[in-house]
Amino acid sequence: GAVVSQHPSRVICKSGTSVKIECRSLDFQATTMFWYRQFPKKSLMLMATSNEGSKATYEQGVEKDKFLINHASLTLSTLTVTSAHPEDSSFYICSAPDPSGSLGYTFGSGTRLTVV
Amino acid sequence: AQSVTQPDIHITVSEGASLELRCNYSYGATPYLFWYVQSPGQGLQLLLKYFSGDTLVQGIKGFEAEFKRSQSSFNLRKPSVHWSDAAEYFCAVGAHLNQAGTALIFGKGTTLSVSS
Repeated sequence: GAVVSQHPSRVICKSGTSVKIECRSLDFQATTMFWYRQFPKKSLMLMATSNEGSKATYEQGVEKDKFLINHASLTLSTLTVTSAHPEDSSFYICSAPDPSGSLGYTFGSGTRLTVV
Repeated sequence: AQSVTQPDIHITVSEGASLELRCNYSYGATPYLFWYVQSPGQGLQLLLKYFSGDTLVQGIKGFEAEFKRSQSSFNLRKPSVHWSDAAEYFCAVGAHLNQAGTALIFGKGTTLSVSS
């Protein structure tokens, strides 16, 4: 089945630095990638939708200058958290529509970001 | 507005007892409905989905769910809970797969604890 590989699974960074999270579609072309953020014991909140070759669409309240999304190829979408602060610590998950249609959506395994 | 409601934040069930997790949705188009399970610090695992046809769907790990259009519900059930079922459960709704640019909307989740 369609697999989205997300890296890193866990990252700790210092406040003020930037962190890049990658999601790769391994055996299919993902024209669309969704990025979610999950706070502890909370639901998944959609941050943005990225489409290959065009600008990402951000949900209301999401700072596009802080959360930079790039979808430069059909197999790679990246989320860069710029000038990270402790409040950016969270679990980030990417997701793409399953090309076969059988699963609906396929998810990356998530990235646990801790900003110290 | 499109939304998913999981009324129960936390449920405790005795091992071997039956389980029902509630999910109600509000969606303007034909909904595609999903249940996911998430263990602590892990990504999402698809339990089951409803696209069309038989309104009672079977999933993995002995779970099933019933779509009731008249009640806008998609409740998850399991006849006999195992200790390993303790986890966070999310109900989600998405658009028809022809509208692949539409992201899933998640409920807030229900935490399931299993007592011995």
